[in-house]
Amino acid sequence: GNSVTQMEGPVTLSEEAFLTINCTYTATGYPSLFWYVQYPGEGLQLLLKATKADDKGSNKGFEATYRKETTSFHLEKGSVQVSDSAVYFCALSSQGGSEKLVFGKGTKLTVNP
Amino acid sequence: DTGVSQNPRHKITKRGQNVTFRCDPISEHNRLYWYRQTLGQGPEFLTYFQNEAQLEKSRLLSDRFSAERPKGSFSTLEIQRTEQGDSAMYLCASSLGGRAGSYNEQFFGPGTRLTVL
Repeated sequence: GNSVTQMEGPVTLSEEAFLTINCTYTATGYPSLFWYVQYPGEGLQLLLKATKADDKGSNKGFEATYRKETTSFHLEKGSVQVSDSAVYFCALSSQGGSEKLVFGKGTKLTVNP
Repeated sequence: DTGVSQNPRHKITKRGQNVTFRCDPISEHNRLYWYRQTLGQGPEFLTYFQNEAQLEKSRLLSDRFSAERPKGSFSTLEIQRTEQGDSAMYLCASSLGGRAGSYNEQFFGPGTRLTVL
């Protein structure tokens, strides 16, 4: 079945540091890939998405590129801020059908001033 | 507020009791999903509705769980004879599904945190 493996946390960085959170997936066909973010005390929010190979999703300075050859969708940000502290989830969805989401376990990011 | 809402936000119950949660999706959304999230894990799919029809259920959804969406609007998730292992955050999401060739973003509610003592 479909699955997502993402980098174990927690990750602690200083403000303005470079961020990478690794995500790899196993899926049949051509899934859509997502990063969701969960800020403290809030619900899950879609951060960015990519629906086909070589697509780059971007939002709020975060980027991730859909790499079919390595089955990866790593999240990057060049300069993190304290306000980026949250839990980040990589997820996939098979196109068509229910479009249910399959999530990784999440990576908690803490950014210190 | 036009987002997905869930009630109650927190529920504490004793083992063996029944509990019911409610989800109100975004009004024009025809698809509604339930997920469960335990501590330190990502959300796991439980079930989904397209309008009032329940079209898929996960094997995680034991016989003690039942979900309904009677008029294709709000949905309820009931857990009978709760067990301590049912303690989790129950998330609801909705989307405008069924549009071929485009991704139908799921919007999540804040969740209902269930604690079974």
